[in-house]
Amino acid sequence: EAQVTQNPRYLITVTGKKLTVTCSQNMNHEYMSWYRQDPGLGLRQIYYSMNVEVTDKGDVPEGYKVSRKEKRNFPLILESPSPNQTSLYFCASSSPTGSTEAFFGQGTRLTVV
Amino acid sequence: KQEVTQIPAALSVPEGENLVLNCSFTDSAIYNLQWFRQDPGKGLTSLLLIQSSQREQTSGRLNASLDKSSGRSTLYIAASQPGDSATYLCAVKRVRAGNQFYFGTGTSLTVIP
Repeated sequence: EAQVTQNPRYLITVTGKKLTVTCSQNMNHEYMSWYRQDPGLGLRQIYYSMNVEVTDKGDVPEGYKVSRKEKRNFPLILESPSPNQTSLYFCASSSPTGSTEAFFGQGTRLTVV
Repeated sequence: KQEVTQIPAALSVPEGENLVLNCSFTDSAIYNLQWFRQDPGKGLTSLLLIQSSQREQTSGRLNASLDKSSGRSTLYIAASQPGDSATYLCAVKRVRAGNQFYFGTGTSLTVIP
C-alpha cells in the first residue's frame, strides 16, 4: 500500500529542546516536502526536496532544518523549538512530474510549551 | 505568488442535499488541482486530481470541475450524507521550481441527519 508515514503523531515538548519529526514514503518518489497547518492560514510549505541531497526553502522555513540522505526519508528538525512552532505538520511526497498526485502523511500534532 | 481562496468557509446542509464547494486561484500557471478531505485532527485524504488540461473528474458522488483560464474549480457532492462531514481543501500545484502546492483554507462541511 502506497503511504507516507510520519512519527510521532503527537508530541509535547518544551521550548529549546531539539526534536526531529520523521517522514518516510514507500513509493520511490523523488519529491518530498513539509507543510504546517495553522487555523485561518491553511497549509504552508516549510521545506521541499527534489531528490537525495537536494533541498530548498518553502514559504516559512525559519526555525526548521531538513535533510535528505536517503530517497525514502525526509526528517524535519527543530533545533530550538519555540511556542510559535506549535502546529499540525504534514509530510508529502510525489513524483517530480508536475501532473502527478501528492500523497500526505497523517500529520504530527506538535505543542511547544 | 499563488493565492487560493475557498468559499464558503463553512456550510451546513440537511442530509440528501446536493452541494457545491468553490475554489479560486490567482495564477493560472498550474500543473493540476487536487481536492482533499480532512477529518478533525487527521491527515489529508485525496479525493480527486484534475490535470490542467482537463475540465472535470468524477469519483462516485463527487465531481470536480476546473476552469483554468478563470482560475476556478468546484467540487460537487451529490446526495450528501452525514459521513461527508469534514473539511474540504483544494490545492493547486504551481508550475515553478519545487512543484509547490498552494492550499486554500478549506470549507468546513456539516451534513445534518
